[in-house]
Amino acid sequence: DQQVKQNSPSLSVQEGRISILNCDYTNSMFDYFLWYKKYPAEGPTFLISISSIKDKNEDGRFTVFLNKSAKHLSLHIVPSQPGDSAVYFCAASARDSGYALNFGKGTSLLVTP
Amino acid sequence: DAGVTQSPTHLIKTRGQQVTLRCSPKSGHDTVSWYQQALGQGPQFIFQYYEEEERQRGNFPDRFSGHQFPNYSSELNVNALLLGDSALYLCASNSMGTAQETQYFGPGTRLLVL
Repeated sequence: DQQVKQNSPSLSVQEGRISILNCDYTNSMFDYFLWYKKYPAEGPTFLISISSIKDKNEDGRFTVFLNKSAKHLSLHIVPSQPGDSAVYFCAASARDSGYALNFGKGTSLLVTP
Repeated sequence: DAGVTQSPTHLIKTRGQQVTLRCSPKSGHDTVSWYQQALGQGPQFIFQYYEEEERQRGNFPDRFSGHQFPNYSSELNVNALLLGDSALYLCASNSMGTAQETQYFGPGTRLLVL
């Protein structure tokens, strides 16, 4: 049962434009959400996170938005750079489950020059 | 500041064999979690170790077992290997005391079962 869903397997964006990656979840017990970036042959790298008590968190070019009523979050990358090309995973966790991560299947982002 | 390390990087086994994977957490971290990532999928949670005990477990059979040592490093053991156990095995660490919500991953061990 996939509790975290990333419905877009891939996304292509021009350099300098905004990249928007989306994620939906079904478990209302989730109280922490994270985005990871993964290059081939490497482990996931933590990018940014957000607690369920917030609706926005910003870190440089990366902003995560959380809409709890819709059980939806998104990652905005502005401006996009070719080095951002990677697979992005959305993950959700709950305090009651020891913050064990539940991942989506990932979205492959390609930023073209 | 040493990050999460895992060994070996690659491993080839045959069906029915047993395998042990190793992980050292990021400096200052005391909690280790293991994940399995099949091709084209997101990582799936196997289990989490803290204070040398299994604290949380995902939906994996008991062929998957683990251990945490006093220095916080950890092992993942898989018995009676199946072809379907072929995957990237990821170790992640965090500190139960501070920012426990955020886990940091190692590079993974790629296991191929023939």
